[in-house]
Amino acid sequence: ETGVTQSPTHLIKTRGQQVTLRCSSQSGHNTVSWYQQALGQGPQFIFQYYREEENGRGNFPPRFSGLQFPNYSSELNVNALELDDSALYLCASSLKTSGRDEQFFGPGTRLTVL
Amino acid sequence: GENVEQHPSTLSVQEGDSAVIKCTYSDSASNYFPWYKQELGKRPQLIIDIRSNVGEKKDQRIAVTLNKTAKHFSLHITETQPEDSAVYFCAASKAGGYQKVTFGTGTKLQVIP
Repeated sequence: ETGVTQSPTHLIKTRGQQVTLRCSSQSGHNTVSWYQQALGQGPQFIFQYYREEENGRGNFPPRFSGLQFPNYSSELNVNALELDDSALYLCASSLKTSGRDEQFFGPGTRLTVL
Repeated sequence: GENVEQHPSTLSVQEGDSAVIKCTYSDSASNYFPWYKQELGKRPQLIIDIRSNVGEKKDQRIAVTLNKTAKHFSLHITETQPEDSAVYFCAASKAGGYQKVTFGTGTKLQVIP
């Protein structure tokens, strides 16, 4: 296993609601990225946090937001849920130092929006 | 931004045969190319990676080749086994800085016993 955990495992919400997904990074990893993986697709980059600040963002609207905490945990918040937000949400942690690029994925949270 | 294309989308091979998956990328600044294996319902797992200063890397039955000029990279699995059956994703990113990883669309590999 990668040492990266996510909670909850599964979640069912209705359209318009808000959701918070949580990730616990591998100890010592200062960078966390969040991805959305729709069924049958590759993971799509949402954003990355480095030392508690957003370090880059993919093509996702502002209703997708995040936080990273000093204890290697992080959150993904999604407001005003839409049906198309149904997907597997993955976090991946890494250590941003020279020559270290590997990302270690968590098991994901399966979000279903009804 | 970076765009990664992956082929084929599905691949069936007989046990013991070789499997090859090919990817192309668009951003010449990308210099780190990981490959992930994802079994049904599980997390992507890094199986091998290559950096742009290397043309080929091998790890037991798995090898990856990189052609920077053509912006192509490929995954080669030899002596395939049923447990190799999974979805494989190639990806590209710029190492060391902002680590946005762009994934390909995936190849579903089926190894037939």
